[in-house]
Amino acid sequence: GNSVTQMEGPVTLSEEAFLTINCTYTATGYPSLFWYVQYPGEGLQLLLKATKADDKGSNKGFEATYRKETTSFHLEKGSVQVSDSAVYFCALREEGGKLIFGQGTELSVKP
Amino acid sequence: GAVVSQHPSWVICKSGTSVKIECRSLDFQATTMFWYRQFPKQSLMLMATSNEGSKATYEQGVEKDKFLINHASLTLSTLTVTSAHPEDSSFYICSASRGAGYTFGSGTRLTVV
Repeated sequence: GNSVTQMEGPVTLSEEAFLTINCTYTATGYPSLFWYVQYPGEGLQLLLKATKADDKGSNKGFEATYRKETTSFHLEKGSVQVSDSAVYFCALREEGGKLIFGQGTELSVKP
Repeated sequence: GAVVSQHPSWVICKSGTSVKIECRSLDFQATTMFWYRQFPKQSLMLMATSNEGSKATYEQGVEKDKFLINHASLTLSTLTVTSAHPEDSSFYICSASRGAGYTFGSGTRLTVV
């Protein structure tokens, strides 16, 4: 079946550091890919998405490019802030609309 | 933007009692509602998918008689945890879908004592 694998956390960075959170997927066809962010005690918020190969999703300084050849959708940000501390989930959408999530990566940004 | 209101945000109940969690789409009609369960520091596990006016489709291993889902209208879906036990303690999150988009509720922290 379809699956999503993320790099394990927690990831601890200093403010203004460069962030990469790796995400790879296994799927039939070319599913839409998403990054969601979850702040403590809250639900998920869509961060960005890409619907086809080579698409780049971007929002709030975060970017991710849909790489078909490596089946990856790595999340990057050039300069993180303390307010970016959260759990980040990579996900794909199956036919029929179900979302398959990765295990989540906790990011902690220190001042 | 699309908003999903989930209530309660947290609840503590005694073993053996039932708890109802509501999700309402406030400014759009949700054709499909998804219910997830999340254990501490883990990913979201899809429990069931419901479409308005029809029975929910449960994922393998999820007890449909224990986790009752009702999707009576395009703006309201409920999850009832029946005869709750401590192992049902978890964070439950709903997600409403309309077209290609998903909007998540803020989650419900259930603690069964």
